[in-house]
Amino acid sequence: EDKVVQSPLSLVVHEGDTVTLNCSYEVTNFRSLLWYKQEKKAPTFLFMLTSSGIEKKSGRLSSILDKKELFSILNITATQTGDSAVYLCAVFTSGTYKYIFGTGTRLKVLA
Amino acid sequence: EAEVAQSPRYKITEKSQAVAFWCDPISGHATLYWYRQILGQGPELLVQFQDESVVDDSQLPKDRFSAERLKGVDSTLKIQPAELGDSAMYLCASSLGGVVGSYEQYFGPGTRLTVT
Repeated sequence: EDKVVQSPLSLVVHEGDTVTLNCSYEVTNFRSLLWYKQEKKAPTFLFMLTSSGIEKKSGRLSSILDKKELFSILNITATQTGDSAVYLCAVFTSGTYKYIFGTGTRLKVLA
Repeated sequence: EAEVAQSPRYKITEKSQAVAFWCDPISGHATLYWYRQILGQGPELLVQFQDESVVDDSQLPKDRFSAERLKGVDSTLKIQPAELGDSAMYLCASSLGGVVGSYEQYFGPGTRLTVT
């Protein structure tokens, strides 16, 4: 059965800290991995990763995929209180063309 | 910027009543998804459409849930009768999909359903 596992489940840090969120997966027909940020509303798209070893970067956020070890990390540097959210990882599979979501990592950044 | 539209944003209903949610995907997006998200969990796929055809509804509780996308554009998800356990956020998402092969998925604002 396809599955996506995120860790840690929750995390509390102080402003300015750097955090690393993990996403591991076991799926057939892997196509891409996506990261989303979810505050108290719908998820907003952050990154889509398809190739191993190529870092995607947007401001203080960056992400990389390892297709050999079947995981991805999302890094946030110099965290701010506005980064407090649930971060969701999803794997897109070809064949069925559907997304399989992890349960998310709840990040809380304290001032 | 194009967005996925959903309505209503919030719905409170009594158990055994019928409810319906509407979704209008980004123009040109062939693939439309309905998800259910229970608090503290990731979104769970209920049904996936490619144009007007259902691609996957294996997790849709068909005794009470139905979904349609008659003209391959907007879509409606219905629950009848609603049960207490249906309380959740219902998310609609769309992607270009199809032969274009772009699978970045964009979410609408969601409908938060409370069943009392």
